[in-house]
Amino acid sequence: EIVMTQSPATLSVSPGERATLSCRASQSVNSNLAWYQQKPGLAPRLLIYGASTRATGIPARFSGSGSGTEFTLTISGLQSEDFAVYYCQQYNNWPPLTFGGGTKVEIK
Amino acid sequence: EVQLVESGGVVVQPGGSLRLSCAASGFSFVDHNMHWVRQGPGKGLEWVSLISWNGHSTYYADSVKGRFTISRDNSKDSLYLQMNSLRTEDTALYYCTKGPPHSSGWHTFDYWGRGTLVTVSS
Repeated sequence: EIVMTQSPATLSVSPGERATLSCRASQSVNSNLAWYQQKPGLAPRLLIYGASTRATGIPARFSGSGSGTEFTLTISGLQSEDFAVYYCQQYNNWPPLTFGGGTKVEIK
Repeated sequence: EVQLVESGGVVVQPGGSLRLSCAASGFSFVDHNMHWVRQGPGKGLEWVSLISWNGHSTYYADSVKGRFTISRDNSKDSLYLQMNSLRTEDTALYYCTKGPPHSSGWHTFDYWGRGTLVTVSS
């Protein structure tokens, strides 16, 4: 099973600033990596797939990068609606499909 | 508009059984693999099970293998999860999720329902 590790667990950022979230895989997942956003009380929403391709309707301030075992989600110019929990997920080696433990982006 | 509406979540005793349902609309259900993903109270996301677009292939997390059965009825645009021998650790919000078109070969979760809550408690 591929273990996904996200860091930091909590990230405090001021509105308008940049947030950089990390995701590490226990072995290579190539570019088969997705990012999701989850706001309190709501279902997760797909942000990024293929490590760097934005899903339909996702603003350009969200960008993904990386391949192999190291991945980054960058949110440029954080807006109030971006404060949420973010999860990475690998779909290269399955079953099982596995998620990271999440990074909470909170207001500084 | 894609809609996934789960139902069937209740309070059940350990060892009990439950069947979850998911009604899909707004897309060609038969063209997509479907999944169940769960989230324990205050916890992260855990993939539970996948069923292929035609129902011929199913996959499970080790934590539920042998106890849960995923199925679908493409004539009714519906997904199901039969849950047997339930344990307290199965307590979670269960989400029905849609994958991309099966021809893509990917397994991401493009759309999610709002979830149905399963509580296993005596």
